[in-house]
Amino acid sequence: GAGVSQSPSNKVTEKGKDVELRCDPISGHTALYWYRQSLGQGLEFLIYFQGNSAPDKSGLPSDRFSAERTGGSVSTLTIQRTQQEDSAVYLCASSREGTSGVGELFFGEGSRLTVL
Amino acid sequence: QQQVKQSPQSLIVQKGGISIINCAYENTAFDYFPWYQQFPGKGPALLIAIRPDVSEKKEGRFTISFNKSAKQFSLHIMDSQPGDSATYFCAASMDPLNAGGTSYGKLTFGQGTILTVHP
Repeated sequence: GAGVSQSPSNKVTEKGKDVELRCDPISGHTALYWYRQSLGQGLEFLIYFQGNSAPDKSGLPSDRFSAERTGGSVSTLTIQRTQQEDSAVYLCASSREGTSGVGELFFGEGSRLTVL
Repeated sequence: QQQVKQSPQSLIVQKGGISIINCAYENTAFDYFPWYQQFPGKGPALLIAIRPDVSEKKEGRFTISFNKSAKQFSLHIMDSQPGDSATYFCAASMDPLNAGGTSYGKLTFGQGTILTVHP
């Protein structure tokens, strides 16, 4: 499709398990972002990729969270040893923007994570 | 200092009325202010955005008013329609070249306003 694609759309896991969330950005978009949306915290920035590099990881809440991007395209957000407070919708967005200029963020529909 | 405060949390208006959502920020390094619209089960989508060199920007029924000295900006939806019922988020980001930000896409969001337009 033409939009940002995320999978899975829903994931239920047990506390302590690892999860992987995938994002397929719009073709040609060099910038990729992960955000987290939860009832208590609203929309929070997690990490920013430019190509395969992550110049800004400042929003990752703990070392249990990591992300990578390969081929300047698909990105994976991994959460190790999940906790109940990790329950949220994880949103991926992509943009044509480089380090200069303002580009519109195109968001996917998100991956809803529930940790039991 | 990185916060963006948004009000009201929820808003109910009648069809044809004006919806007004307000946001305030502290960090004077912010220089890009977008509004995003989100429908249930969907990701946010850019509605309209403004830079601080102008005080107002209008696109169709949607207008952003920006007050740099007060560090406030607002979204006005004229002739509100039931199809406008959604959650609206204001946001702000910094110039990656001049203010030490990393990307304009690194947005600080307000808490959101749930707008309901009654027919």
